[in-house]
Amino acid sequence: AQSVTQPDIHITVSEGASLELRCNYSYGATPYLFWYVQSPGQGLQLLLKYFSGDTLVQGIKGFEAEFKRSQSSFNLRKPSVHWSDAAEYFCAVAVVNKLVFGAGTILRVKS
Amino acid sequence: EAQVTQNPRYLITVTGKKLTVTCSQNMNHEYMSWYRQDPGLGLRQIYYSMNVEVTDKGDVPEGYKVSRKEKRNFPLILESPSPNQTSLYFCASSSSGTGYEQYFGPGTRLTVT
Repeated sequence: AQSVTQPDIHITVSEGASLELRCNYSYGATPYLFWYVQSPGQGLQLLLKYFSGDTLVQGIKGFEAEFKRSQSSFNLRKPSVHWSDAAEYFCAVAVVNKLVFGAGTILRVKS
Repeated sequence: EAQVTQNPRYLITVTGKKLTVTCSQNMNHEYMSWYRQDPGLGLRQIYYSMNVEVTDKGDVPEGYKVSRKEKRNFPLILESPSPNQTSLYFCASSSSGTGYEQYFGPGTRLTVT
């Protein structure tokens, strides 16, 4: 069955440090992949998406993600984290008629 | 402004009292969906609709009903809510099914006592 694994439930980084959030998916065909962010008390905002083509995709707020088919991964990165990046991040894969989400990674930013 | 709206945003109710959460989108999207979000589980699909009068079950449909009488609206109905339906609910819409970006509503936090 299709699934998404986000191995890290919580991550804490210092402001200004780099960030990488891990995502592994299980899907037989070429995946459509997404990263969403949810700030406290807010809805879901799309950060970036991968459909095909260049495996390094750029998103909003300075985020990028790299699709690695051989590793079934779609990790999210940011070179320098800001305090406003503290939120919960969800990786998702599109399958027939739905998105399958990972359990989420909560990012804490310490000053 | 393109958006998905949900009402109410917060709701506290008692077991067995029927309720409806409304969802509306102004983007003329064919596809709409409901998800519930629970800690440690991410979001799971409850029901979806490919177009007017076309609905189908998602992964966790038990205890829920939906209808799609108009393209823009997709209400979620809990006919006899139970405490295990306490959750954060999101409505989403898309123009071409899940291969394309889904736009999410702001969420409805439901508590059933």
